[in-house]
This record gives sequence, structure tokens and C-alpha cells, in this order.
Amino acid sequence: DAGVTQSPTHLIKTRGQQVTLRCSPISGHKSVSWYQQVLGQGPQFIFQYYEKEERGRGNFPDRFSARQFPNYSSELNVNALLLGDSALYLCASSLRGFVGLGETQYFGPGTRLLVL
Amino acid sequence: AQKVTQAQTEISVVEKEDVTLDCVYETRDTTYYLFWYKQPPSGELVFLIRRNSFDEQNEISGRYSWNFQKSTSSFNFTITASQVVDSAVYFCALSENAGNNRKLIWGLGTSLGVNP
Repeated sequence: DAGVTQSPTHLIKTRGQQVTLRCSPISGHKSVSWYQQVLGQGPQFIFQYYEKEERGRGNFPDRFSARQFPNYSSELNVNALLLGDSALYLCASSLRGFVGLGETQYFGPGTRLLVL
Repeated sequence: AQKVTQAQTEISVVEKEDVTLDCVYETRDTTYYLFWYKQPPSGELVFLIRRNSFDEQNEISGRYSWNFQKSTSSFNFTITASQVVDSAVYFCALSENAGNNRKLIWGLGTSLGVNP
């Protein structure tokens, strides 16, 4: 079975531009979470979606938005890019998103975003 | 508040040495889950183990072993007879037992370099 897939793998943008990142979860998983990881840090939670509904949001500005499609894939959008948005963006897949109940999240390879 | 501390920023060993990665956590809850993930240079976070707070048995999987001690709030990870392929950043993460808890709290990671 395929694992979590993300596209693109790398992206270079300039300040002020907008970007869309994509994620496909493991087959049978209905929840997708997005994390931002800057160099030298652990991942920071951005969003969680389950059955197309937002179930959780981290401390990120409104420039960050996401959605989940009927096939459970997901997109993360970032508007008005800033230099500080340069990071590895990770998508995590889980059955129902019950992280607090010990459900394991499986991660994709990430998208490396560089904002110039 | 929840917190995960990985005090070792970088560790360098020679192949075949044993190495222990430390993880200390803080939580107010009596039920929680702890995770270890491996992040090789490619960037993908690879799930290694999940442990709930009621299971204090140590676990061994091949060359990997985990020592969970509630009394000291630690969940340490030992690699026996390290190999070059073990070179990666290792993250410890915590999730409290709450139905509405949608995220993991991550340590800053320990970068392990195994030299031939």
C-alpha cells in the first residue's frame, strides 16, 4: 500500500506570492494534519481535518488555510508569503485523527518551501 | 502545560557503539501517549513506537529498545550496535488523553551521527 504522498517536493516562491501544497493520505485514513517544521525545530501543528471538516487549528495566521476533499486528500494554502514561511511542510495521515487517544500519525515526505 | 525536552542536541558515535537518546516530558494528565519518530535527511518522519502511560514495560525491537519510567517522566531510546543508516534526527512526542486533542507536542529533536 502506498504511504502518505505530498506534492510538490520542493518549491521556491517570492514574498507576497501564494502557494498550494497537496497531500494524499494512506488508503483508509480519513484524517489529515498539517505541520510546519523550520530548520532545527520540531514540527508545529497547523491544521487537522477529518471527513472534510476542520477539527483543529494551531497558532498560525489567517494567511494559512486548508481543505479536505471527498477522497480525503487535502490542500494547504498560504497567502502573502513571508520569508519566515520558509520551512518543511509535513502532512500526516491517521484513521480518524484522535491523536489524544493515541492514534498514530504517519507522515509524508514533506514539501520544502523556500521564500525569497 | 505539556512539554517535551530532548536535552541532547547532537550526538556523534562510531559505528557499533550503543547510544541512548533521552526524552523527558511534562504533563498534568494521568493518561497520555508517547511517541518516537525518526527523520532521516530525506525529511520524512518515520514512526518508531507508541507507548501509553499505563504500559511501563520496556520494549525491544531488533537493535532498538525503549525505557519508559513514569517516576522520572522519561522515555529514553537506545540503539544497540549503531549503524551508519541510523544517522538521523530523532524526535520524541507527547499527546495527552483528550478526545478533542488533535496534535502532538514535539521535542526539538536529537541529531544522531553514526560514523564508519
